[in-house]
Amino acid sequence: KAGVTQTPRYLIKTRGQQVTLSCSPISGHRSVSWYQQTPGQGLQFLFEYFSETQRNKGNFPGRFSGRQFSNSRSEMNVSTLELGDSALYLCASSLGTGGEQYFGPGTRLTVT
Amino acid sequence: SQKIEQNSEALNIQEGKTATLTCNYTNYSPAYLQWYRQDPGRGPVFLLLIRENEKEKRKERLKVTFDTTLKQSLFHITASQPADSATYLCALPVSGSARQLTFGSGTQLTVLP
Repeated sequence: KAGVTQTPRYLIKTRGQQVTLSCSPISGHRSVSWYQQTPGQGLQFLFEYFSETQRNKGNFPGRFSGRQFSNSRSEMNVSTLELGDSALYLCASSLGTGGEQYFGPGTRLTVT
Repeated sequence: SQKIEQNSEALNIQEGKTATLTCNYTNYSPAYLQWYRQDPGRGPVFLLLIRENEKEKRKERLKVTFDTTLKQSLFHITASQPADSATYLCALPVSGSARQLTFGSGTQLTVLP
């Protein structure tokens, strides 16, 4: 079974721009969660989508948004990028029943 | 609010020894606890899940214990190898949401040859 894939793997953007990251979950997984990881804050939960609906949301500003499509693929968008948004963005998929999550390789975003 | 603490940022041990990592939590009674391994620049990899009614779980050289009275989980790697060197993260489901995980800050384990 193919694992979780994320595109792009690396991205460099300028402050004020916006960015869209993509995540394809493991086949059959209906839940996709997004995390931000930085050296200072560790792994922080952004939001979770299940059956095309946002079910849970972390403590991030409204500049961070996402969506999920009918095939369970998910995208997250960050608008008006700030330097502090530089991080590794990880998505994880699961069956949606609670339990283990399977992470993708991440997208490394650098904001200059 | 719930808190997770992994009380060692870094742990160095000699090859062949048993590594023991600790995860403590407060203000919470989770239904389960998970352990993940993360290598630099890569996503975490799921290792083990232990439920609140399980005291111990094993998988090959890995062993996890879960003490709901102490609010603590111990993660053991026996006969450690340099390839076990990585950051190990514990994770708990957020109260009221089985699918939202809160992660500890991780313990960076280095196994010295």
